[in-house]
Amino acid sequence: DAGVTQSPTHLIKTRGQQVTLRCSPKSGHDTVSWYQQALGQGPQFIFQYYEEEERQRGNFPDRFSGHQFPNYSSELNVNALLLGDSALYLCASSLLARDTQYFGPGTRLTVL
Amino acid sequence: GENVEQHPSTLSVQEGDSAVIKCTYSDSASNYFPWYKQELGKGPQLIIDIRSNVGEKKDQRIAVTLNKTAKHFSLHITETQPEDSAVYFCAASMGAGGTSYGKLTFGQGTILTVHP
Repeated sequence: DAGVTQSPTHLIKTRGQQVTLRCSPKSGHDTVSWYQQALGQGPQFIFQYYEEEERQRGNFPDRFSGHQFPNYSSELNVNALLLGDSALYLCASSLLARDTQYFGPGTRLTVL
Repeated sequence: GENVEQHPSTLSVQEGDSAVIKCTYSDSASNYFPWYKQELGKGPQLIIDIRSNVGEKKDQRIAVTLNKTAKHFSLHITETQPEDSAVYFCAASMGAGGTSYGKLTFGQGTILTVHP
């Protein structure tokens, strides 16, 4: 049973560029949440998707957007990249009716 | 919104000793409290969780306790081993039906080092 997968593993971009990160949830899960983890800190909630809709959102600007596909996989898009967007981006999957979230390995984004 | 404080930020123990990490939360509506272990270069791995209708939960060498009145919860690791060395995070969220259901708020993390 495959766990949560994310791609790419690493990514280097320059300021002002746009980036798309991808996530495939654990088999059987219908909900995907995205988190940003800066170096030395705990993950911070960006948003959550269920049935292809954004259910709720954390304190992140509109430059951060997402999408969920009919197969439950998800994308995170970040526009107009800033140096401060450099972080590990984590995807977590769950069942909407359950609390437990399982995390993927993350995508390390470096903005130069 | 919810705020989670975690202590200590670093913890160093000898192999075989016990380790305790403590967290406090601010929102009395939170009722789900997971603990994650994160190794270098990896995503957080769920190691144990507890819900507010339970005061204590144990899984082999790992246990979690919850005091709803004081709004704090703790992770206890007994008979520590070098492979327990990692960063540990506590988190809190509201359960199903809550307005912020599914949003995990994390503590700042504890770097645990177990010396052989």
